[in-house]
Amino acid sequence: EDKVVQSPLSLVVHEGDTVTLNCSYEVTNFRSLLWYKQEKKAPTFLFMLTSSGIEKKSGRLSSILDKKELFSILNITATQTGDSAVYLCAVEASTDKLIFGTGTRLQVFP
Amino acid sequence: GAVVSQHPSRVICKSGTSVKIECRSLDFQATTMFWYRQFPKQSLMLMATSNEGSKATYEQGVEKDKFLINHASLTLSTLTVTSAHPEDSSFYICSARETGDYQPQHFGDGTRLSIL
Repeated sequence: EDKVVQSPLSLVVHEGDTVTLNCSYEVTNFRSLLWYKQEKKAPTFLFMLTSSGIEKKSGRLSSILDKKELFSILNITATQTGDSAVYLCAVEASTDKLIFGTGTRLQVFP
Repeated sequence: GAVVSQHPSRVICKSGTSVKIECRSLDFQATTMFWYRQFPKQSLMLMATSNEGSKATYEQGVEKDKFLINHASLTLSTLTVTSAHPEDSSFYICSARETGDYQPQHFGDGTRLSIL
């Protein structure tokens, strides 16, 4: 059965800290891995990763994929209170479906 | 960027009512749209894949007669929860993806459905 596992489940940090969120997967016919940020409403797209070893970067956020070891990490440097959210990892199979992990709840305190 | 609009954002209604939720891709065409359901503090669960001009594909355990999906155009899909009951109360989210390889799904803001 396809599955996506995220860790940690929750994380509490102070502003300025750097965090690393983990996502491992076992999915048949892998096509891509995506990271989303979910605050109060629906998820907003952060990154899509398809190739191993190529870092994607957007401001203080970056992500990388390892297709051999079947995992991805999302890094957030110099965290701010606005980074507080649930971060979702999802894997897209060739069936077009997204399989979501349970998410990591990040809380950043001033 | 790609924008997906979902309406209404909140519905409160009596048991037995049918509720329609609309999902629109505002600045792109979406051959495929997706409907998810999310329970509190849980992740998104795919309910069905909506294909323009054809029948939706439902995930195992999702009642197709209960959750009617129509994808009449390349920018609009609707989900109708028929004869809703309290156990149907949930957060429903749609997504759409632009045509082409390696396009991410973009999500609407969701609809919180409460059945009294």
